[in-house]
Amino acid sequence: AQSVSQHNHHVILSEAASLELGCNYSYGGTVNLFWYVQYPGQHLQLLLKYFSGDPLVKGIKGFEAEFIKSKFSFNLRKPSVQWSDTAEYFCAVNAPSGTYKYIFGTGTRLKVLA
Amino acid sequence: GAVVSQHPSRVICKSGTSVKIECRSLDFQATTMFWYRQFPKQSLMLMATSNEGSKATYEQGVEKDKFLINHASLTLSTLTVTSAHPEDSSFYICSAITGAGQPQHFGDGTRLSIL
Repeated sequence: AQSVSQHNHHVILSEAASLELGCNYSYGGTVNLFWYVQYPGQHLQLLLKYFSGDPLVKGIKGFEAEFIKSKFSFNLRKPSVQWSDTAEYFCAVNAPSGTYKYIFGTGTRLKVLA
Repeated sequence: GAVVSQHPSRVICKSGTSVKIECRSLDFQATTMFWYRQFPKQSLMLMATSNEGSKATYEQGVEKDKFLINHASLTLSTLTVTSAHPEDSSFYICSAITGAGQPQHFGDGTRLSIL
């Protein structure tokens, strides 16, 4: 069965620090990969997605993610975080050969200290 | 674009009550909608996939008679929690897609509290 692992459950950083959140999935076939962000009191918003092509994907608000097929990973990065990046981040996988279902990771709660 | 509205945002009711939650795609037609349940500090767990005009597909372990889903139009899906009990208290979230392979767009969620 497909699964998604986010190893960091809670991350605390100071402003301007660099961020990397891990995401690993288990599925042997072709996948679509997503990172969503949920700011306090708001709905999930798409940060970026990978369908095919360049494995380095750039998203909104300065975030990027790199798809490494050999490692089954899709880690999220940002060179310099801001206080406003405080939120919960979810990695999700969709296998296009099946249904449109997503499998979500457990989420990483990021707190950025001003 | 791609706004999903979910209503109500919060419900508090007595045990045994049935509760209906609406999910609307405001500016697009949603071929497929999804219903999730999120427990505190846990991930979103897919409950069912809802396609317009057909029966919902439920995930393993989700009681279809307990969680009734109706996708009557391309812009509206409803989830009815029948005879709700305290263990049904949770955060319910819907999402919608515009077509195959497209990202899901999420509603704000409904916090259901059963007393």
